[in-house]
Amino acid sequence: QKEVEQNSGPLSVPEGAIASLNCTYSDRGSQSFFWYRQYSGKSPELIMSIYSNGDKEDGRFTAQLNKASQYVSLLIRDSQPSDSATYLCAVRLHSNQFYFGTGTSLTVIP
Amino acid sequence: EPEVTQTPSHQVTQMGQEVILRCVPISNHLYFYWYRQILGQKVEFLVSFYNNEISEKSEIFDDQFSVERPDGSNFTLKIRSTKLEDSAMYFCASLSSVGTDTQYFGPGTRLTVL
Repeated sequence: QKEVEQNSGPLSVPEGAIASLNCTYSDRGSQSFFWYRQYSGKSPELIMSIYSNGDKEDGRFTAQLNKASQYVSLLIRDSQPSDSATYLCAVRLHSNQFYFGTGTSLTVIP
Repeated sequence: EPEVTQTPSHQVTQMGQEVILRCVPISNHLYFYWYRQILGQKVEFLVSFYNNEISEKSEIFDDQFSVERPDGSNFTLKIRSTKLEDSAMYFCASLSSVGTDTQYFGPGTRLTVL
């Protein structure tokens, strides 16, 4: 079974706060992990990819991966209203297939 | 900046008709994908395509669906005998090589089956 689970939210944070998004996956064969941002009616846009355990930082975004717990998270620091979107967690198996979670809706309140 | 393009942006069809959704991947990319997203639901993998053949397909991708790369640029998804439940956003994506894992998505085609 190749499930990717996310809390659908909605998650609301005040501007300037840290937003924390979580994701779990079921297939231990998952090799690559991604966070996408999707605005309403638009296509997914890659924010970050992570491949090994630990943290990966890119600007205001930090992805965390724990393969033992089958857990991926995304932290958004200094959240801005423009960060309001649905955040999709995705995994790639050793095959050429990518699986997405249902997404977490984030609203940043000015 | 190179981008994936899709046409049409919106397709309306009658149940039972055939539709062809078109995509132009980024020119030097080697792997191509189709995804479906029913309104309010998750992005679902349909099929991946490499070296002019299907490399992976999901359970959704049954005999109703087919893909083709008729020339060096276009990548098409054909849906035969459309059903109401085929109404969704269809996204094409391309990837330069498996090692990079960075997929670039097109803007999508909204398919409405009446």
